Amino acid sequence: DAGVTQSPTHLIKTRGQQVTLRCSPKSGHDTVSWYQQALGQGPQFIFQYYEEEERQRGNFPDRFSGHQFPNYSSELNVNALLLGDSALYLCASSSPPGLADNEQFFGPGTRLTVL
Amino acid sequence: KNQVEQSPQSLIILEGKNCTLQCNYTVSPFSNLRWYKQDTGRGPVSLTIMTFSENTKSNGRYTATLDADTKQSSLHITASQLSDSASYICVVSALMGDTDKLIFGTGTRLQVFP
Repeated sequence: DAGVTQSPTHLIKTRGQQVTLRCSPKSGHDTVSWYQQALGQGPQFIFQYYEEEERQRGNFPDRFSGHQFPNYSSELNVNALLLGDSALYLCASSSPPGLADNEQFFGPGTRLTVL
Repeated sequence: KNQVEQSPQSLIILEGKNCTLQCNYTVSPFSNLRWYKQDTGRGPVSLTIMTFSENTKSNGRYTATLDADTKQSSLHITASQLSDSASYICVVSALMGDTDKLIFGTGTRLQVFP
């Protein structure tokens, strides 16, 4: 039973570039959430996807966008990268919203460094 | 404003000793509270999850408590091991319609030395 997987594990970009991060949810999960975690801080919620639609969104600018595919995998896109976007990006999957036991399982993260 | 505060920010203990981490929250409406362990550069791993009606839950050497009246939780680690060195994050869920919104604490960084 595969857990949550993310790719790539590490990524280095320069300011102004665009980046795409990928996530495959845990088997049986169809909801994917993305988080940004700066060094020494707790994760900050970016957005959540369910049924290929963005269901919730945190306080992140429009430079952050996402997509969910029919197989429930998801992408996080960040445009016009800033130095402050350097962080660990975490993907978490869960069962559909509204179910009692919709615990989120986290992937290993993608470490993004913007130079 | 929904907030989760953890203390201490960091903690150093010797192997074999016990320790207790604290979490205070102002989250409404409350759905559940979870403790996660996060190794450096890795994703968080769930230790415990408690709903409003539960006041204690154990997972091996980890025991979490919840006082919903005072909005406090603690995570007690017994007989610490070197592998317990990690950040421990308290996460409180606020029930928003048919889904939960997770509010994360900034974590307690635990270092266990031999």
